[in-house]
Amino acid sequence: EAQVTQNPRYLITVTGKKLTVTCSQNMNHEYMSWYRQDPGLGLRQIYYSMNVEVTDKGDVPEGYKVSRKEKRNFPLILESPSPNQTSLYFCASSPFAGSTDTQYFGPGTRLTVL
Amino acid sequence: AQTVTQSQPEMSVQEAETVTLSCTYDTSESNYYLFWYKQPPSRQMILVIRQEAYKQQNATENRFSVNFQKAAKSFSLKISDSQLGDTAMYFCASPIYNQGGKLIFGQGTELSVKP
Repeated sequence: EAQVTQNPRYLITVTGKKLTVTCSQNMNHEYMSWYRQDPGLGLRQIYYSMNVEVTDKGDVPEGYKVSRKEKRNFPLILESPSPNQTSLYFCASSPFAGSTDTQYFGPGTRLTVL
Repeated sequence: AQTVTQSQPEMSVQEAETVTLSCTYDTSESNYYLFWYKQPPSRQMILVIRQEAYKQQNATENRFSVNFQKAAKSFSLKISDSQLGDTAMYFCASPIYNQGGKLIFGQGTELSVKP
C-alpha cells in the first residue's frame, strides 16, 4: 500500500531532550516536506526536500533540523525542544515539487514538550 | 502573495443532504492544481479531490465534486448525500511552485453532519 508513515504518533517529552520524528514514504517520491499545525495558525511548512541531499527552509525552520540521506526517509530533528514546539506535525511527499503534484500526508505526530 | 481563503468557519448539514463549502484563491501561476483535504477527528490529512486549472471540466470523486470558476478564482466543494463519516475539518489548498511546492491552506471549514 502506498503510504507515508511517521513515528512516533504521540510523544511527550521535556524541554531540552533531543528527539527525532521519522518519516518514510514508499512511493519513490522526490519531494518531501514537514508541516506543523497549530490552532489559529493553520499549517505552516518547516522544511522541505527536493531530492536526496537537497533540503531548504520553509516558513518556520527555527529550532528544527532535517536530513535527506535516502530518498524514502526525511527525519525531523529537534535538538533542544521547547514548549513552543508543542504541536501536531505532518510529513508529506509528492512525486516532484511543483504546482501539478499532489502532496500525500502522513498520519501526524502529536508532540508535547513540557 | 498567494492566498487561499475559506470564509465559512463552521457548517452543518443533515445526513443525506447536500452541502457546499466555499474557497477563493489568488495565484500568479498559469497552471496549477487546487486541492481539498479532509481532516477528521483522527487528525489525519486526507486528499478529497483535486482540480487542474487548465481543465474546464469540474473534477468529481464519487459524492464529492467541485465547482471551479477560474476567472472568479473560486473553488467550492460540493458533498452530495452527506454521511456521518463526512464530519471533519475541510481545507482548501494551493501549492506555490517557486517556494518548493509549499502548500498554502485556507483557514478550514468545520463540517458537522447531523443524523
